[in-house]
Amino acid sequence: DGGITQSPKYLFRKEGQNVTLSCEQNLNHDAMYWYRQDPGQGLRLIYYSQIVNDFQKGDIAEGYSVSREKKESFPLTVTSAQKNPTAFYLCASSIESGIIEQFFGPGTRLTVL
Amino acid sequence: QKEVEQNSGPLSVPEGAIASLNCTYSDRGSQSFFWYRQYSGKSPELIMSIYSNGDKEDGRFTAQLNKASQYVSLLIRDSQPSDSATYLCAVNGSGGSYIPTFGRGTSLIVHP
Repeated sequence: DGGITQSPKYLFRKEGQNVTLSCEQNLNHDAMYWYRQDPGQGLRLIYYSQIVNDFQKGDIAEGYSVSREKKESFPLTVTSAQKNPTAFYLCASSIESGIIEQFFGPGTRLTVL
Repeated sequence: QKEVEQNSGPLSVPEGAIASLNCTYSDRGSQSFFWYRQYSGKSPELIMSIYSNGDKEDGRFTAQLNKASQYVSLLIRDSQPSDSATYLCAVNGSGGSYIPTFGRGTSLIVHP
């Protein structure tokens, strides 16, 4: 079955630690995205990538980093510089950069202890 | 700053009624419009896309677009309790920008 997987589903982090959220897709989509969702809020774009080895900052990139070494994978690292990282993180993909119907993974809920 | 506005709700309708969800957007050059359904604790699921003025129907769902008024809506006919969710409106930018801007969503409650 084609789709987007994210792991882990739940993640707990101590203050000062970096954590990496996994996002994998087997849809052969070129474009991938990371969003953050806080309670009662819409989706805010963190980073996006149109093609392997290329990515751009979104609206709230500070304190986050990404890589796109493979078409299928777009991991997100939440660094200790992110002051309020507790949120629901969503990865999405679209078939190509000009097509913006996005498909979402199941999400990772990150909690800072 | 491109904005997409939705009434946060909750919108409460009885089972079998028509639910009407509304969205306005600020970027007059926007070309593509989407409705996502998000159940509590889950990720958004694309349910409708619309690109031209008028209505687009898919089963019980109808999307309506009025670019002159910068307004897009979603009608759900014969609402079911399983339709209870948050509905997110997403609008892409103009000038070739393909990154959508999301509204905060409207919570819909369908009561038996």
